[in-house]
Amino acid sequence: EVQLVESGGGLVKPGGSLRLSCAASGFTFSNAWMSWVRQAPGKGLEWVGRIKSNIDGGTTDYAAPVKGRFTISRDDSKNTLYLQITSLKTEDSAVYYCATDRGYGDCWGQGTLVTVSS
Amino acid sequence: EMVMTQSPATLSVSPGERATLSCRASQSVSSNVAWYQQKPGQAPRLLIYGASTRATGIPARFSGSGSGTEFTLTISSLQSEDFAIYYCQQYNNWPLYTFGQGTKLEIK
Repeated sequence: EVQLVESGGGLVKPGGSLRLSCAASGFTFSNAWMSWVRQAPGKGLEWVGRIKSNIDGGTTDYAAPVKGRFTISRDDSKNTLYLQITSLKTEDSAVYYCATDRGYGDCWGQGTLVTVSS
Repeated sequence: EMVMTQSPATLSVSPGERATLSCRASQSVSSNVAWYQQKPGQAPRLLIYGASTRATGIPARFSGSGSGTEFTLTISSLQSEDFAIYYCQQYNNWPLYTFGQGTKLEIK
């Protein structure tokens, strides 16, 4: 069974940093492109960024609102995806989901909540 | 900038009836559109990709159509578990992936 489990969310002050993790199982993680998508409370879905498989270059792409502050990485030996978030703003408060990426997200984790507040 | 616009924002339909949800792209996205269902407190669930291909395990009452800039998700006979928020998403143009704002399907 394909499973994605996010962790690392919490309450952080503006300007702070956080690293989210997404543990994958049930599929060949090293071959998968992966994305992060976020959802602010009561709002819609917003794509954050993507990382290709290392076989396909391992490159990353980011949405404009997070570029320069967010960094996606992966550790294929641990079947884990990461999202490093720096210079957090109140508008970054959201549930952060990881998803397998085929252009569309065919498998999603349950999400981890990040709250940015002083 | 690429924009996906869903209509209506809220759709009230009785169980057993048909629901038709629309999604319009600000520029052509070919057939690179997906639809998701999201229930409160849950992650999105992929329903349709490639505008019309049902994802694994999705009931046949869900169907998608369209190409270019106009897309439709149809639920042929609404079941109680279908009342949720539905999002369309394009994966053809930059920014890489753009979601619509969602349509809330509620019980009439």
